[in-house]
Amino acid sequence: DGGITQSPKYLFRKEGQNVTLSCEQNLNHDAMYWYRQDPGQGLRLIYYSQIVNDFQKGDIAEGYSVSREKKESFPLTVTSAQKNPTAFYLCASSIVRGGRGQPQHFGDGTRLSIL
Amino acid sequence: GESVGLHLPTLSVQEGDNSIINCAYSNSASDYFIWYKQESGKGPQFIIDIRSNMDKRQGQRVTVLLNKTVKHLSLQIAATQPGDSAVYFCAESLTGGYNKLIFGAGTRLAVHP
Repeated sequence: DGGITQSPKYLFRKEGQNVTLSCEQNLNHDAMYWYRQDPGQGLRLIYYSQIVNDFQKGDIAEGYSVSREKKESFPLTVTSAQKNPTAFYLCASSIVRGGRGQPQHFGDGTRLSIL
Repeated sequence: GESVGLHLPTLSVQEGDNSIINCAYSNSASDYFIWYKQESGKGPQFIIDIRSNMDKRQGQRVTVLLNKTVKHLSLQIAATQPGDSAVYFCAESLTGGYNKLIFGAGTRLAVHP
């Protein structure tokens, strides 16, 4: 079945450590996104990519980095510069069609906690 | 600035009743709207979407209504079932951008037997 796979489901980070969250999609979507969700809040955009080898900062990019070397993959690194990384991280993908709004399809998230 | 908000943080309904979840948006230029359902520990699941050239769109047991005059969006769920219990988010988008979705904080729907 087509979909978005995020791994791991749970991740723990030590102080000063960088961690990488995986996101893979087999929907053949050009665009991919990373969101952060805090308890009782909506989703906030971290980074997005509309095409391979290109990505842009979202609303809360500080302390995060991404790469887009393959269409199917959009890994997110939470660096030690992110001082409050505990959150639920969601990856999404969508088609790109002339700048018109399109539904984004989400994975089941990675919950990151601090040790 | 752009924002999407919800009138009620929690909605409790009886099984079998109809549910109405409301959402207000502030950007009158937004032209695409989506409703998502999120169950505990999972990612948001697409329910239904609507573009600004429509006032109403129906799906299976769900209807989305868009009132552009007052910048209001609602999701109606018919014959609510226990499996409908979740947090519901509305999101808005504006043509010409990069498909940026702006999400509200969500409304929790609790269905009681």
